[in-house]
Amino acid sequence: NAGVTQTPKFQVLKTGQSMTLQCAQDMNHEYMSWYRQDPGMGLRLIHYSVGAGITDQGEVPNGYNVSRSTTEDFPLRLLSAAPSQTSVYFCASRRGDRDNSPLHFGNGTRLTVT
Amino acid sequence: DAKTTQPPSMDCAEGRAANLPCNHSTISGNEYVYWYRQIHSQGPQYIIHGLKNNETNEMASLIITEDRKSSTLILPHATLRDTAVYYCIVRGTSYGKLTFGQGTILTVHP
Repeated sequence: NAGVTQTPKFQVLKTGQSMTLQCAQDMNHEYMSWYRQDPGMGLRLIHYSVGAGITDQGEVPNGYNVSRSTTEDFPLRLLSAAPSQTSVYFCASRRGDRDNSPLHFGNGTRLTVT
Repeated sequence: DAKTTQPPSMDCAEGRAANLPCNHSTISGNEYVYWYRQIHSQGPQYIIHGLKNNETNEMASLIITEDRKSSTLILPHATLRDTAVYYCIVRGTSYGKLTFGQGTILTVHP
């Protein structure tokens, strides 16, 4: 299986544009999440989902929307991109949330907003 | 979830053991210790986790102190490819916001 797949790998947006970062996993994991990583800031949680139809906010949710209509997919939407959203975005999944299974990460989407 | 403290950077000679410490003095009884690493520009990679017993897998060993307030990740024979940022995280099994701190930058020298 492919694990966690993120697309696109790179994206450049202009301020105010919208886009969706895609994340798919083929491991039948219940838990999925989005992180952003900025220099010197470590990984910060944006949104997470403990199953289809259930989402919740992380540390830095403002400016981002998510939905979880299927177990496999967890897209992240930027409705009106801002330069402050320039970052590397990682999607991660885990078997369940009420267990001790580890997170599996994708290889990231590098987003630049000009 | 409990907070963790790690040194910002460490060096290790190739072929030697790398011992990465982590302090988690506020850990609760049901919280696990996880270690991940991130090699430049890639997604973080899971290494190992444990609750209270020492653990070993093909990548590393995890030593957790008896009071569980600290742990050490051991890479027994470090290689240049082990140069990465290593994250120590503590979480329980409840619905969770797993968060990552700054980690330790491990540099393995020839």
